[in-house]
Amino acid sequence: AQSVAQPEDQVNVAEGNPLTVKCTYSVSGNPYLFWYVQYPNRGLQFLLKYITGDNLVKGSYGFEAEFNKSQTSFHLKKPSALVSDSALYFCAFMNDYKLSFGAGTTVTVRA
Amino acid sequence: NAGVMQNPRHLVRRRGQEARLRCSPMKGHSHVYWYRQLPEEGLKFMVYLQKENIIDESGMPKERFSAEFPKEGPSILRIQQVVRGDSAAYFCASSPRTGTTPYEQYFGPGTRLTVT
Repeated sequence: AQSVAQPEDQVNVAEGNPLTVKCTYSVSGNPYLFWYVQYPNRGLQFLLKYITGDNLVKGSYGFEAEFNKSQTSFHLKKPSALVSDSALYFCAFMNDYKLSFGAGTTVTVRA
Repeated sequence: NAGVMQNPRHLVRRRGQEARLRCSPMKGHSHVYWYRQLPEEGLKFMVYLQKENIIDESGMPKERFSAEFPKEGPSILRIQQVVRGDSAAYFCASSPRTGTTPYEQYFGPGTRLTVT
């Protein structure tokens, strides 16, 4: 079965340090991959997507993600984390029009 | 430019009552999706609708759940005879269209249903 996996339930970093949120995929064909962020009691906000082309995708709020076909990964990165980046992050793939999400990774950025 | 609107934001129902969740897509979006976020199961696709058409309801429970997106007005997710296991956050998303290029879906703030 096709899926995405987020191997870390939680990621803790200090403000100003690099932030990485991991995602691996098991998707046949060309994967359509997405990152969303969810703040407490809010809906999901779209960050970025990979469809085709450059392996490095730039998105909202200074985030970027690197598509790595050989490692079947699509890790989300931010060079310098902010306290306001503390949230729940979801990796997802799209099959036709359906988004299938990973379990989510809770990011805590400490001041 | 208003985003996806959902109401109510919080809904409390007693077991056996009906729950109606409403979703207005972003302006210019004609495709609506409903997802459910259960505490131990994560976010799951429920149904995909276009105006007056249910395109895919493969994620909907077979009984008690229904959805519509009429020609005029919001999309409605209806849960009849609610049970405690229906307690969850229900999110609506919309996109301009589907096709060979996958469009991102924009999510509303969700309706948090609590069944007592």
